[in-house]
Amino acid sequence: RKEVEQDPGPFNVPEGATVAFNCTYSNSASQSFFWYRQDCRKEPKLLMSVYSSGNEDGRFTAQLNRASQYISLLIRDSKLSDSATYLCVVNVNTGGFKTIFGAGTRLFVKA
Amino acid sequence: ETGVTQTPRHLVMGMTNKKSLKCEQHLGHNAMYWYKQSAKKPLELMFVYSLEERVENNSVPSRFSPECPNSSHLFLHLHTLQPEDSALYLCASSQDSPRVSDTQYFGPGTRLTVL
Repeated sequence: RKEVEQDPGPFNVPEGATVAFNCTYSNSASQSFFWYRQDCRKEPKLLMSVYSSGNEDGRFTAQLNRASQYISLLIRDSKLSDSATYLCVVNVNTGGFKTIFGAGTRLFVKA
Repeated sequence: ETGVTQTPRHLVMGMTNKKSLKCEQHLGHNAMYWYKQSAKKPLELMFVYSLEERVENNSVPSRFSPECPNSSHLFLHLHTLQPEDSALYLCASSQDSPRVSDTQYFGPGTRLTVL
């Protein structure tokens, strides 16, 4: 089982749609959680951190469920510019430090 | 955006060559990272430095040798690489020790091709 698993995608949605990405992690020692965005042939950039209480930034909402070891990202009112790969990232601390990236979910938003 | 820079951006090398990748961060951060991103695979953490001391080496072959001369610079020395080492090599930095929940800022990467 992969340490961080994401929806395989790709997701093809029309502009204005609401889209949800799911991510599960296997290590209960996972401490911090993030969503990054990576455009084609570009570096990953932080989209938002994910907190247990849930957090929202404009059209983006992230949720964390520690009991189920599950993270989600909701994008409302999709824009063409949201087209990218969305990476679920988990930091694990078990004496050593690991940052584990999911394989990413590709999103295509079409006019 | 020039917080984290990497050179060269593209590199083609033979299996017998020796080359180095350079990363520089202008953010005043204390931790720096090397990642490998192969086609259709997740990013893989290779090395972590905190205050110029290597704190993690995630089972990376010895043909990859990192060097961190100061908190702003990170190098990845390459020698006798294999074609399967062809990938995008990304450098990142973060404010604090990697044991603290912290955002990582990535450079644009070096696209490496090994012939």
